[in-house]
Parts: sequence; C-alpha cells; structure tokens
Amino acid sequence: EAGVTQSPTHLIKTRGQQATLRCSPISGHTSVYWYQQALGLGLQFLLWYDEGEERNRGNFPPRFSGRQFPNYSSELNVNALELEDSALYLCASSLGDTGGLEAFFGQGTRLTVV
Amino acid sequence: QKEVEQDPGPLSVPEGAIVSLNCTYSNSAFQYFMWYRQYSRKGPELLMYTYSSGNKEDGRFTAQVDKSSKYISLFIRDSQPSDSATYLCAAFSGGYNKLIFGAGTRLAVHP
Repeated sequence: EAGVTQSPTHLIKTRGQQATLRCSPISGHTSVYWYQQALGLGLQFLLWYDEGEERNRGNFPPRFSGRQFPNYSSELNVNALELEDSALYLCASSLGDTGGLEAFFGQGTRLTVV
Repeated sequence: QKEVEQDPGPLSVPEGAIVSLNCTYSNSAFQYFMWYRQYSRKGPELLMYTYSSGNKEDGRFTAQVDKSSKYISLFIRDSQPSDSATYLCAAFSGGYNKLIFGAGTRLAVHP
C-alpha cells in the first residue's frame, strides 16, 4: 500500500514568489494535515482538511492557504514567500477526522527561499 | 512558554544502553501523548501513544505519562545504532483538534 506522497521533494523559490506543494494521502484516508518543520523548532501545525473542508488552522498568516480536492489530495500554497518560510513541509493523512491522531506522514517537501 | 517542551540534545549513548527521553507540557487539557521517530530526510513515524496517565510498552520501547507532574517519557531498552534518529513528543486534546509537538531530541547510538 502506498504511503503519503508529497511533491516536489525539493523546491527553491525567490523571496516574494509563490510556492505550491502537493500531497496525496493514503488510499481511503479523508483527512490531510500540513505541518511546517523549521530548523530547531519542531513541527508547527498549519492546516487540517477533511472531506474538502478546512477543519482547523494553526497560527500562520493568511498567505499560507490550501485546499483539498474531491479525491482527498491536497495542496498547500504559500504566497509572498519570505526567507523565514524556508523549512520542511510535512503532510500527514488519517482515516477519518481524528485531528491528527494516528496520522501517517509523508517524506516532506524541502522549501528553500532565497 | 511553549506548550510542549523538549530538550533538543543531542544525546549520545553506547549501544545497549537504556535511553530516557523526556518532555514536559503545560496544558492540563491534553489527553493523548505521542512519540514519533524521525530519521534524517524522512517524515516522522508514530512509535506509540498513550491516553491519559500510565505506561505503555511495545518491544524495547516504553512510553510513560505522569499527568500530575505533566511529564512524558520514552524509554528505549538495549538501544541499537538503528535507533539513531530524532525523537519527537507530541500532545493532543479534542478541544484543540491538533497535535502540539516538542522540538525533538536528536539521539545517536554508537557501536
């Protein structure tokens, strides 16, 4: 069974540009979670989507947004990139709306803003 | 003050040692407590989680929660070089509907 897949693996963008990160959950999983893992800061919760709806949002500015598609895959968009947005972005999925409990993580997208 | 605090280490131990990893938390509303292992350049992998206070054992790993002192521990017995990774603790409450992670402790087990 395929796990959570994220693309691209690495992304280099210039300050002010927009970045789009993609996530495909495990087959059958309806909830998708996005986290930011900056160096030394642990994982910070960004967004939670379930059945196409945004269920919860972390303490991030509105330029971090996303959506979930009918096939439960998800996209994270970061507008007006800043240098501090450089981090590993992790996507996780769960069977049902657990809020993150028993969620499985993907390998992440390493975003570098220069 | 962060809601979940974790010493980032690094922690270096010889093979076969008992490893103790610890976190503290501040919010009494947390109900579930998790430990994840993250290898370099990989996503976190859930090791185990406990509900409320008590112990949970899985092979060489034991998770312990003391809600009275707001203390979370993970013990690794007979540590192996393959245990070398970053270990993340996390807490969850239904009211928050999100996981709150510690910063992670980097562990190195040397042969």
